[in-house]
This record gives sequence, C-alpha cells and structure tokens, in this order.
Amino acid sequence: DSGVTQTPKHLITATGQRVTLRCSPRSGDLSVYWYQQSLDQGLQFLIQYYNGEERAKGNILERFSAQQFPDLHSELNLSSLELGDSALYFCASSVLAGGLNEQFFGPGTRLTVL
Amino acid sequence: AQKVTQAQTEISVVEKEDVTLDCVYETRDTTYYLFWYKQPPSGELVFLIRRNSFDEQNEISGRYSWNFQKSTSSFNFTITASQVVDSAVYFCALSEAGANNLFFGTGTRLTVIP
Repeated sequence: DSGVTQTPKHLITATGQRVTLRCSPRSGDLSVYWYQQSLDQGLQFLIQYYNGEERAKGNILERFSAQQFPDLHSELNLSSLELGDSALYFCASSVLAGGLNEQFFGPGTRLTVL
Repeated sequence: AQKVTQAQTEISVVEKEDVTLDCVYETRDTTYYLFWYKQPPSGELVFLIRRNSFDEQNEISGRYSWNFQKSTSSFNFTITASQVVDSAVYFCALSEAGANNLFFGTGTRLTVIP
C-alpha cells in the first residue's frame, strides 16, 4: 500500500458526461501528479500540483482540468467525455516537486466511457 | 527531448530462471533520474528503484539487481530465480532534473510460468 488513495476505483459513464476523480496524497507529500494509462498512448503525464499551485502540464486535454485543495487532496475533472477517454487514471504523490523525487502511485481509477 | 525504449514487449520464462529487462534512454540533460516500476495484474504501480545520473554503481536488492551504464544509456533490470509473483508489467521511467514528471517507456510484460 503506497499510502495514496484514489476514489472511485471504477467509473462507468456515457459520452458527453462529466466526471470527477479524487486523490489523497501520502501524509506529508506536497506534490500531486496525474497520469493516464491507455492501450494506445501508454502511461502519460497529465498535470502536477505542488502545495496548491499548478507546477507542470503534460498532454492534458482542454476538456480536462485539475486542482489541489488546501488539505492537499486533488481532483481531476474530465468533461465532454469521449470513448477515447476510457483509461486508467493514476494519481501519484511525492514529498517535493522536482525530478529526483520518488513518486508513489495510487491504485488508479478505471474510467469506462460508453 | 527525452525518450525511454523498452524493446522487449513480452517475455516468458520458466520459474527459477533469471531474466533481464532492458531499458535504453535518451536525454540531453546531464542530471537526470531513472526509475523502475512494477505493475502487477491488480493494476497498481509499485516503485522499485531510483538512480541518479551521477551514480553508476549497480544495486542489488534481494533477487532484484539493476545495471546502470551511462556509456550505453541503459538501465537494465535483472530478476534472479524468478517466481510466479514476479509476473507483471515492468516500466522504466526517466525524469530530467528540470522537469517534474516521469516519462515512461512502453513497458515489458513478464510472465513467469510455474
């Protein structure tokens, strides 16, 4: 158990809908990352927050947004969902920002868009 | 731009055999970090090791060992006396010093046959 929690574990929804994925980092970790794992794109970095502020952006679509709250939990919002958004979404956390930090991953949220 | 290549898509070995998973990386940075993660069938990503670019010392942890060679830009992972529980997808990842995210390879699926 990495100490990172994600809810829900599974999510099934329809095209055009909006969903929110939630992540709680390990105790003491200030940095939260979101990754998407799909069959065609592999594991891709989406976005990072550090202590409430956006720190880095990867291949995140404009239909997706995220935020980190004062208690350091983070939410990833996916809107106008398309079939291709079906994937496993991981949250990871680390103590600080920066490439040297080990990132510990949550169990993931499996999103299925029908 | 960074790149991580895991040329072996799938490997099957018989239990107790040794197996080496290859990872070749590209980066223009002189300071970078390399990681290995394990993704068992349950889906979570488990951190295995981090190595920084200035430390080419090989590392051994139980049945796991890692060989980092800057001259060939490789960071290979060997499992000695493989066990069925080692069956998983293994990802090699790179993080550059100025970046915050992990850049993953496409993974190698290891199946250990009893």
